[in-house]
Amino acid sequence: GAVVSQHPSRVICKSGTSVKIECRSLDFQATTMFWYRQFPKKSLMLMATSNEGSKATYEQGVEKDKFLINHASLTLSTLTVTSAHPEDSSFYICSAYGRGTDTQYFGPGTRLTVL
Amino acid sequence: QKEVEQDPGPLSVPEGAIVSLNCTYSNSAFQYFMWYRQYSRKGPELLMYTYSSGNKEDGRFTAQVDKSSKYISLFIRDSQPSDSATYLCAMSLNTGNQFYFGTGTSLTVIP
Repeated sequence: GAVVSQHPSRVICKSGTSVKIECRSLDFQATTMFWYRQFPKKSLMLMATSNEGSKATYEQGVEKDKFLINHASLTLSTLTVTSAHPEDSSFYICSAYGRGTDTQYFGPGTRLTVL
Repeated sequence: QKEVEQDPGPLSVPEGAIVSLNCTYSNSAFQYFMWYRQYSRKGPELLMYTYSSGNKEDGRFTAQVDKSSKYISLFIRDSQPSDSATYLCAMSLNTGNQFYFGTGTSLTVIP
């Protein structure tokens, strides 16, 4: 299957700072990337969908000014959590779909802890 | 009503047992059906991917889709302790569209 990476795998930051998470498709061109959030023992909650070269489409209830998504190339999307608060602590997972793939492939996730 | 319903478990079985995991859904327009395995603190890993109705087998795993009943299943034969994980079903209208996930079923295979 296709490979998607995320960086960093874990990040701890202070309240009020911004954190950037990268999602890369390693062996295919990702025309669409999805960002999810997952709470402990819960399923994945879709935050936003981003198509390469376009503005991201955010799900209802997700603040676009707080969770900035950029999909500037066919292999890279970034999620920036701005002015992070402890309630933003969560597991963030991206997935990618594109040319040559038959479904979405998920990254390994990034665990964010805001102190 | 949720789009996708999945019993969260937890489910405990002895090693070697056959495991049956199920999801029901409400949107008859779903055409693509996936099963993912997620280990603790890891991203979901694609196990099975099925288009429309029917069965698909891959090693010890068999996925079944019954669109008339809006019901999908994943069977694991000869279960192993390494199969202990959370299993998520997902479905979509098209491959590049939003996925609708079940809540996940936590499975423990006891040696």
